[in-house]
Amino acid sequence: KQEVTQIPAALSVPEGENLVLNCSFTDSAIYNLQWFRQDPGKGLTSLLLIQSSQREQTSGRLNASLDKSSGRSTLYIAASQPGDSATYLCAPRGAGNMLTFGGGTRLMVKP
Amino acid sequence: GAGVSQSPSNKVTEKGKDVELRCDPISGHTALYWYRQSLGQGLEFLIYFQGNSAPDKSGLPSDRFSAERTGGSVSTLTIQRTQQEDSAVYLCASSLGVGLMNTEAFFGQGTRLTVV
Repeated sequence: KQEVTQIPAALSVPEGENLVLNCSFTDSAIYNLQWFRQDPGKGLTSLLLIQSSQREQTSGRLNASLDKSSGRSTLYIAASQPGDSATYLCAPRGAGNMLTFGGGTRLMVKP
Repeated sequence: GAGVSQSPSNKVTEKGKDVELRCDPISGHTALYWYRQSLGQGLEFLIYFQGNSAPDKSGLPSDRFSAERTGGSVSTLTIQRTQQEDSAVYLCASSLGVGLMNTEAFFGQGTRLTVV
């Protein structure tokens, strides 16, 4: 059974900092991995999809890397802004097309 | 529609009543997922539909929970004899299906269920 761990659980930084969110998973037999953000009281918004054959994927100030063999992914956020404050979730997609979620990293960017 | 649509957005029900939650996936998406998120908790998988295949029901917490998907599109999650511990946000997601594994899943805004 896939288990996903996200570190840190919470993070508070001043505006402008570059930061790294970590995701680890126990079963490396995945098809892809998605990063999502969730604002309070809202659904999940897809940020990036990184294929199992890829090492990196970029969208604007976001960069996701994937080391499938070691079961790790990182989300890098450049020049953080208060609007980036949210909970960030990673979800590898594995056997049976199943998405398994980590507990998330709750990010607060202070102006 | 443009995205995954869930209704109602909020539902308050009395303990012991049955509730139905609806999900309209993105047109053409054959894979559909239901998740539950209790207050301050992570996402808990409930059930997964893929095309005409038998659904993966391995996440349903009890036999009070059931789901169906009619015509390969709209899905309904039914909770019978609701209990207070059923209070949570129920999230639906859809994606292009099996054979196209490297595809994104898109989530609806969720239904917040409160059992009083």
